[in-house]
Amino acid sequence: EIVLTQSPGTLSLSPGERATLSCRASQSVSSSYLAWYQQKPGQAPRLLIYGASSRATGIPDRFSGSGSGTDFTLTISRLEPEDFAVYYCQQYGSSPGFTFGPGTKVDIK
Amino acid sequence: EVQLVQSGAEVKKPGESLRISCKGSGYSFTSYWISWVRQMPGKGLEWMGRIDPSDSYTNYSPSFQGHVTISADKSISTAYLQWSSLKASDTAMYYCARQEIAPDYWGQGTLVTVSS
Repeated sequence: EIVLTQSPGTLSLSPGERATLSCRASQSVSSSYLAWYQQKPGQAPRLLIYGASSRATGIPDRFSGSGSGTDFTLTISRLEPEDFAVYYCQQYGSSPGFTFGPGTKVDIK
Repeated sequence: EVQLVQSGAEVKKPGESLRISCKGSGYSFTSYWISWVRQMPGKGLEWMGRIDPSDSYTNYSPSFQGHVTISADKSISTAYLQWSSLKASDTAMYYCARQEIAPDYWGQGTLVTVSS
């Protein structure tokens, strides 16, 4: 089963700043089947990025994803107040377990 | 509008059985997998397994295989997650999500509390 590691655990930034979140896999992720989700307290996760770099429907272009193989990055170009949340990566290319990373919390500095 | 509506919160005792549901609407239910995801209190997301509603083929995470059963009734566009004997450690929020590529639309979650 592929294990995902996310860093940092917490990212403290101010609105307007750039956020760079990392997701590293224990083995290569098949066909870049890597997704990113945002979760706010009391809410279901929201798909941001799939296929490592494709934005989901309705996602603002300040969110971008990159990477391949074992190293992936989610970048938020300029943080808006509503972007402070927890972000998870997930690989969905390798059965049987479509594992999630432990998450990165982006909080207000 | 695509919607996944889950059944309401449950409070159960250890050893009891439970089935929670996830009803899809606004899309062709048999064209997308349904995944189930667990989130224990204050913790991260864990993918449990998925079902293809067109033929009820299932995949399970090794961590959940044998502990839960995923099923679906395509005639009523509903997927299920069930336990035969709950434990206190099953206390969590459970989400269903539609999945073609990555899980895109999610249900609102069902809180399951298991306590004596």
